[in-house]
Amino acid sequence: KAGVTQTPRYLIKTRGQQVTLSCSPISGHRSVSWYQQTPGQGLQFLFEYFSETQRNKGNFPGRFSGRQFSNSRSEMNVSTLELGDSALYLCASSASRGRDTGELFFGEGSRLTVL
Amino acid sequence: SQQGEEDPQALSIQEGENATMNCSYKTSINNLQWYRQNSGRGLVHLILIRSNEREKHSGRLRVTLDTSKKSSSLLITASRAADTASYFCRATNNAGNMLTFGGGTRLMVKP
Repeated sequence: KAGVTQTPRYLIKTRGQQVTLSCSPISGHRSVSWYQQTPGQGLQFLFEYFSETQRNKGNFPGRFSGRQFSNSRSEMNVSTLELGDSALYLCASSASRGRDTGELFFGEGSRLTVL
Repeated sequence: SQQGEEDPQALSIQEGENATMNCSYKTSINNLQWYRQNSGRGLVHLILIRSNEREKHSGRLRVTLDTSKKSSSLLITASRAADTASYFCRATNNAGNMLTFGGGTRLMVKP
């Protein structure tokens, strides 16, 4: 069974640009969540999608958005990039059907550098 | 708010020694999970302990849960250099929301 796939793995953007990151979950998993990891702030929850609906949202500004498609693939978008958005963005999928309480399977992450 | 806070933030030990790290949380939980992250990579699930369990083992890993103290500990016995990584706990509550992690414990095992 293929794992969680995130693309791209690395990218460099400049301030003011926007970026879209993609996540393909493990086949059969309907829950996808996103996290931002920085040295200063640690691992921060962005949002979680289940069956194309945003089920939970972290404390991030509206510049951060996401969506999930009918095949459970998910994308997150960051608009008007700031230097502080430089981070490792991690996606995780879960087989949990109801309220998420189960094991998360993570991708290798997308490392974003904003110049 | 964070649902898990690890302690210590960093730990350095010699190969063969045991490593213990702790996690505290704030509300009632459904389960608590421990993850490992090698530098710059995705997290890998290690073990899950449910709120009605007190102790769980998996290979060299031993996890305990004290719901009265709202804390959990992860013990790695006979550590190896390959155990060098960051370890995170994640607590999920019965409402299933606020899917957050603590700041992690950075473990260094010296050969």
